[in-house]
Amino acid sequence: AQTVTQSQPEMSVQEAETVTLSCTYDTSESDYYLFWYKQPPSRQMILVIRQEAYKQQNATENRFSVNFQKAAKSFSLKISDSQLGDAAMYFCASAYNNNDMRFGAGTRLTVKP
Amino acid sequence: EAQVTQNPRYLITVTGKKLTVTCSQNMNHEYMSWYRQDPGLGLRQIYYSMNVEVTDKGDVPEGYKVSRKEKRNFPLILESPSPNQTSLYFCASSLLGGWGSSEQYFGPGTRLTVT
Repeated sequence: AQTVTQSQPEMSVQEAETVTLSCTYDTSESDYYLFWYKQPPSRQMILVIRQEAYKQQNATENRFSVNFQKAAKSFSLKISDSQLGDAAMYFCASAYNNNDMRFGAGTRLTVKP
Repeated sequence: EAQVTQNPRYLITVTGKKLTVTCSQNMNHEYMSWYRQDPGLGLRQIYYSMNVEVTDKGDVPEGYKVSRKEKRNFPLILESPSPNQTSLYFCASSLLGGWGSSEQYFGPGTRLTVT
C-alpha cells in the first residue's frame, strides 16, 4: 500500500526562527504530486504548497519552501521567519493518480513567542 | 465567494439513526470527495465522484453511501451509524480529478459523534 509518513508528531519553533517538517512517502509511480496542507484550530484545510514530481526545482511560496528529494522519496517543508499564525497541524499528502490522495498523520507545530 | 459548504458542522447522534451530511460547492467543479480525519491517521478518503452519477470507493467506504445527482452536491449518508464512525469529516472539490492541475478545496468540516 502506498503510504505517507510524518515522523514528527509535534514540533516547536521560536517566533522568527526557521523550522523544517519532515515527510517521506512510498510510491512506485513516476508521475505524482506532493502537497503540504495547514490545518489551524479552525479545522479548515489550507493548501500551503505543492510540488510536481517531474519538476526538479523545489517549490516556494513566500516563507514556505520544500526540499524535494525524489530518489530518497522525501518532501520536507521549511518555514522561515516563523509567525504565531503558523501554529497549526501540518499534513503532508501525495496524489498518485487522479483519484488517490494519501495523507500523513500530521505534525502539530507550536510557535513560541 | 467560491466555497465548499457542509452541514451540519456539528452532530451528535445515536447508534443506528440514519443521517446525512450535505456538501455543496459553487465552483462548477467536476470532482468531489469525502474524507474522514482521525487522530494519528490523518485524512482518509471515503468516496469520490468524478462527475454527476459517477462515484467510486476510496480507502474506507464501509458504512457509508454517497450520491451525485447534481454537479454541485455530494451528500454523505450513514444509514446505520456506529460509534467507530465518530470522526471529523471533510468534503472537498476540485475542477478536475487531476490533482496537479487543479487545487482541491476543502469544506469547513463536520464533527460527528455517535453514541
